[in-house]
Amino acid sequence: SQQGEEDPQALSIQEGENATMNCSYKTSINNLQWYRQNSGRGLVHLILIRSNEREKHSGRLRVTLDTSKKSSSLLITASRAADTASYFCATSLRDDKIIFGKGTRLHILP
Amino acid sequence: DGGITQSPKYLFRKEGQNVTLSCEQNLNHDAMYWYRQDPGQGLRLIYYSQIVNDFQKGDIAEGYSVSREKKESFPLTVTSAQKNPTAFYLCASSLYAGLGVPPLHFGNGTRLTVT
Repeated sequence: SQQGEEDPQALSIQEGENATMNCSYKTSINNLQWYRQNSGRGLVHLILIRSNEREKHSGRLRVTLDTSKKSSSLLITASRAADTASYFCATSLRDDKIIFGKGTRLHILP
Repeated sequence: DGGITQSPKYLFRKEGQNVTLSCEQNLNHDAMYWYRQDPGQGLRLIYYSQIVNDFQKGDIAEGYSVSREKKESFPLTVTSAQKNPTAFYLCASSLYAGLGVPPLHFGNGTRLTVT
């Protein structure tokens, strides 16, 4: 069963605009992580937010976590062509598994 | 440079044959993971190992087997019992597997095609 679900499934925006994608999950978590995957490659870790944190920043990335709603969002500001990729949220569960969602495909238009 | 190496990048097999995918890490990480990725389905956990000589089933372990005889290595065997083995397989590692798994480091995957 899928723990995390990203929304939207696909997103196309103009270069320079901000991109927002959301993740919802079902059960209690230890932390939530966001990853990027370029086509045909492995995933690259972007940012980790713990269950007792509400917001975290890393460069052009901003992640929020609302444990009461069991949801998280990833904001990429001032998007660039190189941001074109799939983005996944992953939840770290109490039994030490880390479970991924289906991802959001982001396409930055020139 | 430290990292995870998966080999080969592409693998072709005939139906009914077992095949073993290699995963080696030199990050000195305790935990290692195998995921399967199909189009539109994200990543699904096959097996994971928190320490040498120990591993646990993930969500889709049927038709797969693993071993963890060395800290650096976590090979995955796709057996003939796996009904739909054609997929992109990703290996990952983390410093530890405990409460609050730290970031995973991924290899670049093996694309397996079975005909």
